[in-house]
Amino acid sequence: GNSVTQMEGPVTLSEEAFLTINCTYTATGYPSLFWYVQYPGEGLQLLLKATKADDKGSNKGFEATYRKETTSFHLEKGSVQVSDSAVYFCALSPRNTDKLIFGTGTRLQVFP
Amino acid sequence: DTAVSQTPKYLVTQMGNDKSIKCEQNLGHDTMYWYKQDSKKFLKIMFSYNNKELIINETVPNRFSPKSPDKAHLNLHINSLELGDSAVYFCASSRKGIHNEQFFGPGTRLTVL
Repeated sequence: GNSVTQMEGPVTLSEEAFLTINCTYTATGYPSLFWYVQYPGEGLQLLLKATKADDKGSNKGFEATYRKETTSFHLEKGSVQVSDSAVYFCALSPRNTDKLIFGTGTRLQVFP
Repeated sequence: DTAVSQTPKYLVTQMGNDKSIKCEQNLGHDTMYWYKQDSKKFLKIMFSYNNKELIINETVPNRFSPKSPDKAHLNLHINSLELGDSAVYFCASSRKGIHNEQFFGPGTRLTVL
């Protein structure tokens, strides 16, 4: 079946630290991969996506590379800010469907 | 100019009641969704509609019935509410076609007492 596994949080960092949030997936065929972010009290927003192997999605300083060989889509940012504090969701969309399957989410807390 | 809006934002009700949550999108999208987010933040799709036609119906109790009067609206009606229905419900929409970005509403926090 299709599933997404994310590292458990919370991830607690100081401002300007390097961020990695791990995400691995199981899927039939080659899905598209996404990172969504949920700020406190709000709905989810798309952060970045990649639709095929070796694609790199990037936005607002965040990056993630679609690694078929390791079935991973880890989220990275070189220097986090307090305003990045949120819950981050890795998700996949199987081929030929618009359904999103989410991981459990990882809470990021950034302190000044 | 909210893209995806939901009402109400908060809903507190007693077990056994029937309630509805409304969703509207002004993005001109053809596809709309309902998701449930539990207390541990786990998010799972419930339904999707494409141009008023039901496309995805996950394993959801039939107490939950989505209704799409037009492609800009997807309402969720819940009969005989149970304690386990307490969650945050998110509506979302996207353009037709696979792998398009889904735009989420702000959520409706449902509390069943």
